[in-house]
Amino acid sequence: EDKVVQSPLSLVVHEGDTVTLNCSYEVTNFRSLLWYKQEKKAPTFLFMLTSSGIEKKSGRLSSILDKKELFSILNITATQTGDSAVYLCADQAGTALIFGKGTTLSVSS
Amino acid sequence: DAGVIQSPRHEVTEMGQEVTLRCKPISGHNSLFWYRQTMMRGLELLIYFNNNVPIDDSGMPEDRFSAKMPNASFSTLKIQPSEPRDSAVYFCASSFGTGQAFFGQGTRLTVV
Repeated sequence: EDKVVQSPLSLVVHEGDTVTLNCSYEVTNFRSLLWYKQEKKAPTFLFMLTSSGIEKKSGRLSSILDKKELFSILNITATQTGDSAVYLCADQAGTALIFGKGTTLSVSS
Repeated sequence: DAGVIQSPRHEVTEMGQEVTLRCKPISGHNSLFWYRQTMMRGLELLIYFNNNVPIDDSGMPEDRFSAKMPNASFSTLKIQPSEPRDSAVYFCASSFGTGQAFFGQGTRLTVV
């Protein structure tokens, strides 16, 4: 049984589109919810969310956590080809990060 | 800071051989994680250490896998004997407390 479930598994959009990626998680020992971006190599950190309802923003990317419904979303506005990557969310239960299988985003020009 | 350093970057070995993957965490970090990534199963946690002590190894697939952390700046993941189904990218990551984890560049293992 997957503890962290991401949807959709893959997404193809055109440059300039806005996308929303979803992540649901389990509550057991929850500390925080993290988002990472993975291009060809190692995952790189985007956001860490610990409080419900507070949006975190970095440029065209933003994310929010809903601890009541146990999910998070990652929004990307005005997508660019450089946003093409696998986006991973992770539930930090204790110290370790448990990852979902990721959403593969492809942005075409 | 050079970040998390893993070696080798690529490893091709024959079935039955012993494979040792190495990791140097970021200086000052007290948690170290080993992950395996495949297309089918995504990024799976194998084992993690806190202050050099293994805390949870429930993700280690079987007895052929073992991991050690003899000191704060070095860890190994060993597979003996290796099998073709072990082929994957193995990532090491480190963190300080419950902060974000920083990943190494990974070791791509191919067992033929």
